[in-house]
Amino acid sequence: GAGVSQSPSNKVTEKGKDVELRCDPISGHTALYWYRQSLGQGLEFLIYFQGNSAPDKSGLPSDRFSAERTGGSVSTLTIQRTQQEDSAVYLCASSDKGGAEAFFGQGTRLTVV
Amino acid sequence: AQKVTQAQTEISVVEKEDVTLDCVYETRDTTYYLFWYKQPPSGELVFLIRRNSFDEQNEISGRYSWNFQKSTSSFNFTITASQVVDSAVYFCALSELDSNYQLIWGAGTKLIIKP
Repeated sequence: GAGVSQSPSNKVTEKGKDVELRCDPISGHTALYWYRQSLGQGLEFLIYFQGNSAPDKSGLPSDRFSAERTGGSVSTLTIQRTQQEDSAVYLCASSDKGGAEAFFGQGTRLTVV
Repeated sequence: AQKVTQAQTEISVVEKEDVTLDCVYETRDTTYYLFWYKQPPSGELVFLIRRNSFDEQNEISGRYSWNFQKSTSSFNFTITASQVVDSAVYFCALSELDSNYQLIWGAGTKLIIKP
C-alpha cells in the first residue's frame, strides 16, 4: 500500500478481554514502531523493530502487552486482559532505514469499557 | 536523561505573528538525525523535516524555517506569519546510531493560533 495501514481504526472492548491491533508498514521498510498516545499527551514508546535485530521492548508497560512482526512486515500488538487505563490511540510507524523519517498510520483508538 | 527537550508546553499567538518552537537535544553520537512532526487536531502525525548532523544549513520551506545549531544542540522551528491552520501539536525527535536509530521524541509543543 501507499502508506502505513492500521486496523481496526476503532476498537471498543470489555475490560478483561484480549485485543489484537494490526499494522501493515510501508513495503520494504525495515523499521517499525508502536506508540501509545493518550488524549492530549505525547507519544509513549512501546516497542521498536529494526531489521533482524532483537526488538527493543523496553517501552511495553506490562507483561500484558506483547508484539510480534512476522516476516519483517506486518506487526501485531496484543493486549491481554485489557484494563481501562489501556484506553488510548495506538500508533504504528515505519521507516526504510536507520535515520530515515518515519511514516505514521492513522492509529487505532482503543476504548476499554 | 531526557534526550529531546521541548520546554514550551503550549504557545498561543494571534494570527500573522511569527512564532518559534524550541527543541534542544542531547547526544554523544557524531552521526544523528533530527526531525519535526506536526499533529493537527485530526490526529495524524505529519512529517515536516529531517536534518542530519553534518548539515547545519538552515532550511526554509514557505512560511516554515528551521535553525539547526550544533553549538547549542538546538533545532528550532519558526513559523512566519502564522495562520489558524498551523494550530497543532509539534513534536521534535532525534535518531542516533547508539539507539539503533530509534526515534526519541520530545514531549511536544501545543501551538494555538488565534484568529
